[in-house]
Amino acid sequence: SQQGEEDPQALSIQEGENATMNCSYKTSINNLQWYRQNSGRGLVHLILIRSNEREKHSGRLRVTLDTSKKSSSLLITASRAADTASYFCATGVRTGNQFYFGTGTSLTVIP
Amino acid sequence: DGGITQSPKYLFRKEGQNVTLSCEQNLNHDAMYWYRQDPGQGLRLIYYSQIVNDFQKGDIAEGYSVSREKKESFPLTVTSAQKNPTAFYLCASSARGAASGNTIYFGEGSWLTVV
Repeated sequence: SQQGEEDPQALSIQEGENATMNCSYKTSINNLQWYRQNSGRGLVHLILIRSNEREKHSGRLRVTLDTSKKSSSLLITASRAADTASYFCATGVRTGNQFYFGTGTSLTVIP
Repeated sequence: DGGITQSPKYLFRKEGQNVTLSCEQNLNHDAMYWYRQDPGQGLRLIYYSQIVNDFQKGDIAEGYSVSREKKESFPLTVTSAQKNPTAFYLCASSARGAASGNTIYFGEGSWLTVV
């Protein structure tokens, strides 16, 4: 399977702290995306980073990509209770047209 | 509103029955996908379709079937051959395939339970 893996599997922090989660993948990619899923709901797109980019920002989100290590990280700054959700990375590979999703990080932000 | 509509939200299946999950999108997307998610787990690809009248198996296609007769519709049938079908099923679409860097949009999911 080309599925990626997020680390840690679960993360619990206090409101206002920063949350960092990591994603590792196995094959060469064209792009990597991060998604958020509230319990029992569909996934919502957060941010996309292309293979020729190293860092990208969107509001309180910062994503980095290291293609030499086949890894990416998602940083959420100044977390809020509403950020409580599961976060998934998804990779678009160079060959084929599937998206491959990681196993997810469950984030709990304590008010 | 534009988006992806899945129905039903909750479905119960008896042993030996086939059931069909509906997925409709009005985003004019070429590509559509079906994923299965087990509690506390990631997403696993069942089937995907890049264009009308064409579809490919994903990682866990056994016991499932799909059709793509219309661009906006991609129904999933869970057959009696699927021995452990209880899961959360997610339909998704994108303008084109993953290699093109498109965002993938998801429906709200369907819960299937075997009784």
